[in-house]
Amino acid sequence: AQTVTQSQPEMSVQEAETVTLSCTYDTSESDYYLFWYKQPPSRQMILVIRQEAYKQQNATENRFSVNFQKAAKSFSLKISDSQLGDAAMYFCAYRREGETSGSRLTFGEGTQLTVNP
Amino acid sequence: NAGVTQTPKFRILKIGQSMTLQCTQDMNHNYMYWYRQDPGMGLKLIYYSVGAGITDKGEVPNGYNVSRSTTEDFPLRLELAAPSQTSVYFCASRGLPTRGPNSAEAFFGQGTRLTVV
Repeated sequence: AQTVTQSQPEMSVQEAETVTLSCTYDTSESDYYLFWYKQPPSRQMILVIRQEAYKQQNATENRFSVNFQKAAKSFSLKISDSQLGDAAMYFCAYRREGETSGSRLTFGEGTQLTVNP
Repeated sequence: NAGVTQTPKFRILKIGQSMTLQCTQDMNHNYMYWYRQDPGMGLKLIYYSVGAGITDKGEVPNGYNVSRSTTEDFPLRLELAAPSQTSVYFCASRGLPTRGPNSAEAFFGQGTRLTVV
């Protein structure tokens, strides 16, 4: 079974600074996706960024970028120029591709990010 | 755009009562999912469906039942509520394609906060 581990229950960053959230995963599959989701106090699950396992290039979305190390099974999220609105719970998630699995998401336990003004 | 709609948003149940959490999506998505999120934890898959008439168990199905009679609706039934079922419940849906660089992402509802006392 696939597992996703986030070893940092809480992180904090000063506004305008950079922070990196860590994630490791375990799988024997070769065809999969990795995601970072943001969950603000409203509970809404918001997709931040995704990475296809077959792509060597790290994904970027504006101030958000990932460091994907496939051999090490590591998938960290870097937030640059942190803003107060970035404060939220962040979840790393894995999705195996293939019809038999229902393309379900497996989530880590989350990292609570605080942004200090 | 309605997206994924969950009702109710909040509910308090007494031990042993039953209820149905409703989930409807208007995007004609084949895949639908129910997750639960315990306090300070990540989401865990309860049940999923890959199309009308087809459902399967996820990681934590005990104490729940589902049905999928239409593409749009995927209700989750709790027959005998227990305190261990106190959680936030999320419904999600996902369309096509399910593979490749343009594979569709999951859309989440706003969640139902359930307390069993």
